[in-house]
Amino acid sequence: DGGITQSPKYLFRKEGQNVTLSCEQNLNHDAMYWYRQDPGQGLRLIYYSQIVNDFQKGDIAEGYSVSREKKESFPLTVTSAQKNPTAFYLCASTLRGDNEQFFGPGTRLTVL
Amino acid sequence: AQKITQTQPGMFVQEKEAVTLDCTYDTSDQSYGLFWYKQPSSGEMIFLIYQGSYDEQNATEGRYSLNFQKARKSANLVISASQLGDSAMYFCAMRERDSNYQLIWGAGTKLIIKP
Repeated sequence: DGGITQSPKYLFRKEGQNVTLSCEQNLNHDAMYWYRQDPGQGLRLIYYSQIVNDFQKGDIAEGYSVSREKKESFPLTVTSAQKNPTAFYLCASTLRGDNEQFFGPGTRLTVL
Repeated sequence: AQKITQTQPGMFVQEKEAVTLDCTYDTSDQSYGLFWYKQPSSGEMIFLIYQGSYDEQNATEGRYSLNFQKARKSANLVISASQLGDSAMYFCAMRERDSNYQLIWGAGTKLIIKP
């Protein structure tokens, strides 16, 4: 079945540690996105990538980094520079020119 | 200024009744698209319906329809014959022309269906 997988589902991190969230898609989509969602709020864009080896900052990129070495994969690293990283992180993808974004199941990150 | 406004933080609706979730948007583009997504308590975002700015007919997908009023810049979601499984957060989003496929999201409406 085609879709987007995110791992892990729950992640706990100590302050000062970097952590990488995985996002993989087998939909052959060109564009991929990372969003952050805080309780009771909508989605805010962290980074997006339209093609391999290229990505752009979204509205809240500070403290995050990404890579796009393969079309299928778009990992997000939450660095120690992110001051308030506890949140729900959603990865999405879309075929260029298509309308809807498809989402993964999300990763809930908690900083202890 | 907010580009997507959802004025209803929460709603309670009796099962089997129809429900309308409000969404107003702000854009100066002539070409744009409007989306509705559902987010159950499990967290995944589920695409429901899409309306293009040039579409003359209101979009429909099963029990979901989009009441598109372009002059008023509103794109309300209508759910007919609500079911208990419709209880979730609902988000309105907009994609503007030349936005690199980025979506702008509203804050969401929490819908609870009462048995």
